[in-house]
Amino acid sequence: GENVEQHPSTLSVQEGDSAVIKCTYSDSASNYFPWYKQELGKRPQLIIDIRSNVGEKKDQRIAVTLNKTAKHFSLHITETQPEDSAVYFCAAADSNYQLIWGAGTKLIIKP
Amino acid sequence: GAGVSQSPSNKVTEKGKDVELRCDPISGHTALYWYRQSLGQGLEFLIYFQGNSAPDKSGLPSDRFSAERTGGSVSTLTIQRTQQEDSAVYLCASSPRVGSPLHFGNGTRLTVT
Repeated sequence: GENVEQHPSTLSVQEGDSAVIKCTYSDSASNYFPWYKQELGKRPQLIIDIRSNVGEKKDQRIAVTLNKTAKHFSLHITETQPEDSAVYFCAAADSNYQLIWGAGTKLIIKP
Repeated sequence: GAGVSQSPSNKVTEKGKDVELRCDPISGHTALYWYRQSLGQGLEFLIYFQGNSAPDKSGLPSDRFSAERTGGSVSTLTIQRTQQEDSAVYLCASSPRVGSPLHFGNGTRLTVT
């Protein structure tokens, strides 16, 4: 079955710098890759997603890239701000459209 | 419109008691998921309902856990004979169809004393 690994588990960046979180997956048939942000004590919320027919998608300061050959996808946050501090989860939809989740990355933005 | 609603928001129960957690998905969403999240941990899949199909129960940790979805809408997660290790936040999510983004509820924080 599908397996998703997420790195790093914790990422600390200076405010204004960029942050990159990477996930790898095992099932080459996976075709949907969302990213969720979970602030402390809150529910996970979708921030961006990408399907396997495109290689990159941007939404303001957030972008996701997908490399199907290498089976990895990454979240890029530019010009980080304090409100970006949260736990970020990646996921991949397997052949049954069931989401398989990464373990999460705690992003800390240092002032 | 209204999002995914879960109740209660907090539940404290004594070890050995049964509990029921409720989820009201977004109207029209055919897919419904239950997850468990322990403090500082990731999302542990429990069970998945899709329309009238048989649910995917592969994530339920033991036979003390069960869930049902009545009329394709409201779902109830039941934990029998609760144990301290059941303490966690139980999150419900729904989506309009398979392969679509999930919308999460605010969760039920369960504490077993």
